[in-house]
Amino acid sequence: DTGVSQNPRHKITKRGQNVTFRCDPISEHNRLYWYRQTLGQGPEFLTYFQNEAQLEKSRLLSDRFSAERPKGSFSTLEIQRTEQGDSAMYLCASSFRGTGIMNEQYFGPGTRLTVT
Amino acid sequence: QQQVKQSPQSLIVQKGGIPIINCAYENTAFDYFPWYQQFPGKGPALLIAIRPDVSEKKEGRFTISFNKSAKQFSLHIMDSQPGDSATYFCAASKASSGSARQLTFGSGTQLTVLP
Repeated sequence: DTGVSQNPRHKITKRGQNVTFRCDPISEHNRLYWYRQTLGQGPEFLTYFQNEAQLEKSRLLSDRFSAERPKGSFSTLEIQRTEQGDSAMYLCASSFRGTGIMNEQYFGPGTRLTVT
Repeated sequence: QQQVKQSPQSLIVQKGGIPIINCAYENTAFDYFPWYQQFPGKGPALLIAIRPDVSEKKEGRFTISFNKSAKQFSLHIMDSQPGDSATYFCAASKASSGSARQLTFGSGTQLTVLP
């Protein structure tokens, strides 16, 4: 399977704990996005990487959130001191920056976080 | 100004019917409009996308109609099947200073196709 993969698929944690999610994009894709989706809503943009550089961050990304893409391949999203409001599906998407391609983003299956 | 408004929230059609989902946007800088299909517990899957220089695009049973002057676009599903039952999201994006093309999504339409 050459699609976007995310691990873990589900995570249950207690309030105040730290969690880390991993995203493996499609191999030739140099752009990587993180989104958050709450129940009954569309995904909301969190942050964007081009290769290893984090170029944009949403105001939704509080200082408890940090994302990395150390070698321009996989990415991690860490949430520190989780709160119940962090419960959501965290989606990763990747795309290829190239001439004539209008940013076709392909999403992974997501990591569902439940904070108790 | 970044908002994309989607309607209806839910839609029920009989097999073979043609469900239509509508979206409207405010930001005239948007220049790419994809539609995504999402099944429960899965990530969104890209269905079809359009740029504002065309008024219609067809791919298989899916058609996007685009009205630039009205800042509206819609998805039509021809000969709908029970397997099309899913949540559909419209989205829009524009080039940004950081080169990201983040997607701004509508709130989704839950489609049910009855057998």
